[in-house]
Amino acid sequence: RKEVEQDPGPFNVPEGATVAFNCTYSNSASQSFFWYRQDCRKEPKLLMSVYSSGNEDGRFTAQLNRASQYISLLIRDSKLSDSATYLCVVTSPNAGGTSYGKLTFGQGTILTVHP
Amino acid sequence: DADVTQTPRNRITKTGKRIMLECSQTKGHDRMYWYRQDPGLGLRLIYYSFDVKDINKGEISDGYSVSRQAQAKFSLSLESAIPNQTALYFCATSEGKTRSGANVLTFGAGSRLTVL
Repeated sequence: RKEVEQDPGPFNVPEGATVAFNCTYSNSASQSFFWYRQDCRKEPKLLMSVYSSGNEDGRFTAQLNRASQYISLLIRDSKLSDSATYLCVVTSPNAGGTSYGKLTFGQGTILTVHP
Repeated sequence: DADVTQTPRNRITKTGKRIMLECSQTKGHDRMYWYRQDPGLGLRLIYYSFDVKDINKGEISDGYSVSRQAQAKFSLSLESAIPNQTALYFCATSEGKTRSGANVLTFGAGSRLTVL
């Protein structure tokens, strides 16, 4: 089983739609969670951190479910500019003992928003 | 200028050639990373360095080597390139002083390598 798994999609939605992605992780000791966005042929950029209580940033809402070991990203009122690949990132304790853990990326979920 | 600069941005080479990808940063971050990205596989960590004297293997270090020449510079070498090293390579940095900072990566624009 992969450490971090995402549905690769693609998700094709019309403008204005609400879309949600999930990401599951296998290590119950995982500590921190993030969503990154990657535009085609560009570098990933941090979209938002995911906090235990859930958090919102404009049209984007991130949630964490530790019991079921998944995080989610909800995008409301989708825009054409939201078209991108969304990467889930999970940090876990580093077996080497170095501080602040090991970052593992999911393979990404492709979102295409069409007119 | 970009905070994290990678050179070259694109490179085509032949099997057996030695290739170096360079990365420099102006963020003053202690930590630097090299990832490769392949379709369907996501980003995989090749090597990482928490400071100039601390270099560690990632999950796919075979066939690669690195050098941390200074806090701001981290280069990746393929001593003898092979076709399955064709990929998009990213350098990234993070600070090392806090947990939140250490977990937030700033990426370079990527280096696309094709090995024929």
